[in-house]
Amino acid sequence: SQKIEQNSEALNIQEGKTATLTCNYTNYSPAYLQWYRQDPGRGPVFLLLIRENEKEKRKERLKVTFDTTLKQSLFHITASQPADSATYLCALGGTGGFKTIFGAGTRLFVKA
Amino acid sequence: EAGVTQFPSHSVIEKGQTVTLRCDPISGHDNLYWYRRVMGKEIKFLLHFVKESKQDESGMPNNRFLAERTGGTYSTLKVQPAELEDSGVYFCASSQRTLAFSDRTEAFFGQGTRLTVV
Repeated sequence: SQKIEQNSEALNIQEGKTATLTCNYTNYSPAYLQWYRQDPGRGPVFLLLIRENEKEKRKERLKVTFDTTLKQSLFHITASQPADSATYLCALGGTGGFKTIFGAGTRLFVKA
Repeated sequence: EAGVTQFPSHSVIEKGQTVTLRCDPISGHDNLYWYRRVMGKEIKFLLHFVKESKQDESGMPNNRFLAERTGGTYSTLKVQPAELEDSGVYFCASSQRTLAFSDRTEAFFGQGTRLTVV
């Protein structure tokens, strides 16, 4: 069956370290993959989009990799700050139609 | 520039009643999407409008849900009659372009409407 897996357990890291979040998927062939940030009581906020023909994309302290062979994306936040604490959602697109399919998200806590 | 706005932010209704959720997308965004997050689950796609036309409504749970986008501006999502399992947070999002091969496919989400059916 089709599935998107993100770490259900929260990730706790120390300020200044690099946070790495994982998104694995099965039985999908997405044309692109997106990462969103969601804070409590708010809607998701788009961060990065990476296409199937791209290996890596960067934006400021964020880096996303996309391995279509492993069916995995890694999301890195370097020099993490307490303000980076949030839930991060992985989403697949272009799987058929124009809908976006979301993972359940991983909660990140950055301690000062 | 105003973002995507949703109304109401919270709604508590009794089983069997009707509720209408509203979404105002960002001005100029032809694409409008409805999503739902049931407690403890992932965000699930409901449907997608391009202007006033339903492009994809494959995620609509059943015929108790009716979405409209008259004139291609704001959209409403009506649940009639509401059931307990309809409780959750309903998100609306809009984007300027549809295809992934454009830089303008970023989707902007509203803050959501928390619906509780008791």
